[in-house]
Amino acid sequence: AQTVTQSQPEMSVQEAETVTLSCTYDTSESDYYLFWYKQPPSRQMILVIRQEAYKQQNATENRFSVNFQKAAKSFSLKISDSQLGDAAMYFCAYMNSGYSTLTFGKGTMLLVSP
Amino acid sequence: DTGVSQNPRHKITKRGQNVTFRCDPISEHNRLYWYRQTLGQGPEFLTYFQNEAQLEKSRLLSDRFSAERPKGSFSTLEIQRTEQGDSAMYLCASSIQGANTEAFFGQGTRLTVV
Repeated sequence: AQTVTQSQPEMSVQEAETVTLSCTYDTSESDYYLFWYKQPPSRQMILVIRQEAYKQQNATENRFSVNFQKAAKSFSLKISDSQLGDAAMYFCAYMNSGYSTLTFGKGTMLLVSP
Repeated sequence: DTGVSQNPRHKITKRGQNVTFRCDPISEHNRLYWYRQTLGQGPEFLTYFQNEAQLEKSRLLSDRFSAERPKGSFSTLEIQRTEQGDSAMYLCASSIQGANTEAFFGQGTRLTVV
């Protein structure tokens, strides 16, 4: 079974600064997808960024980028120019290719201070 | 509102009672998922439907849990003889069939069993 580990229960960052959230996973598959989801308080979870395992290039979405290290099974999220609206719980998630169900980590709470 | 809708948003019930939650997916989405999220944990997969067919059930889904999607549109999740351990946020998500398609989540139903 696949597992996803987020070792940082909470992270803090100041506005305009950069923060990196860590994620490691375990799988015996070679073809899979990785995701970062954001869950603001009392609001629905939304997709921040996704990465296909077969792609060597790291995904980027505006201020959000990932560092995907397939051999190390590491998938970190970098948030640049942090904004107050970035404050939320962030979940790393894994999905096998050919399947559609997600395996989530425990989450990292991101606090953003002015 | 064209997002995933879940009702009710909150439910408090006494131990031993039955409860039913409803999820209305995005209209063109033929896949529908149920996840459970307990405090301090990431969402855990419960079950998913493709159209009206229930294709996968997690071992987490005990005999007291049943889910239906009778016409391939909305879905219901019923918990019979609720226990305190059932207290959690129940999340519904939907997606279009296909590789690596984004799952859109609802705001969830928070169940408290007293």
